[in-house]
Amino acid sequence: GAVVSQHPSWVICKSGTSVKIECRSLDFQATTMFWYRQFPKQSLMLMATSNEGSKATYEQGVEKDKFLINHASLTLSTLTVTSAHPEDSSFYICSARDRNRPNYGYTFGSGTRLTVV
Amino acid sequence: QQQVKQSPQSLIVQKGGISIINCAYENTAFDYFPWYQQFPGKGPALLIAIRPDVSEKKEGRFTISFNKSAKQFSLHIMDSQPGDSATYFCAASSADKIIFGKGTRLHILP
Repeated sequence: GAVVSQHPSWVICKSGTSVKIECRSLDFQATTMFWYRQFPKQSLMLMATSNEGSKATYEQGVEKDKFLINHASLTLSTLTVTSAHPEDSSFYICSARDRNRPNYGYTFGSGTRLTVV
Repeated sequence: QQQVKQSPQSLIVQKGGISIINCAYENTAFDYFPWYQQFPGKGPALLIAIRPDVSEKKEGRFTISFNKSAKQFSLHIMDSQPGDSATYFCAASSADKIIFGKGTRLHILP
């Protein structure tokens, strides 16, 4: 089945530093990947849609200069949290859809727990 | 139009009982309705999914019932086990978008 690898699974960083999270589709090509943020006991909040070879589309209220998304290949998208602050601490999850099986749903990564101290 | 309403927010079921979670959608453009299971600290995992051309799909102890005219679908977990304790999200998707329900925290009593 489709597998999405997300790395790191957890990271602790100091305020003001930047953190990069990687999302890889291991056995399929994904023209589109999605980045979500999840607060404790809440649903997934879509942050942005990452399109291979083009600029990401951000949801309303999400700062594109703070959450930099790069989708340089059909198997890799990265989310960089720039100048992180404690309020950015959250669970970040990516998902991807197989370009050859677009009607078969989305596969999620295992998530990244970001803690900013 | 883009909402997916999920209920209940939380659910406690005795071991061996039936867990039922309901969802309703508004946009008739949705053509794929997956359910995801999420354990704490993990990403959601696809559990089972259905398309609107069928009214029911069963995989093991998990069944989706789909009512196209009412724009509602539900997840039934038969013979619920403690290992089923997790958060469940329903979703509705189309070619370019997926909308999630707010989730149901299911706890199965041993």
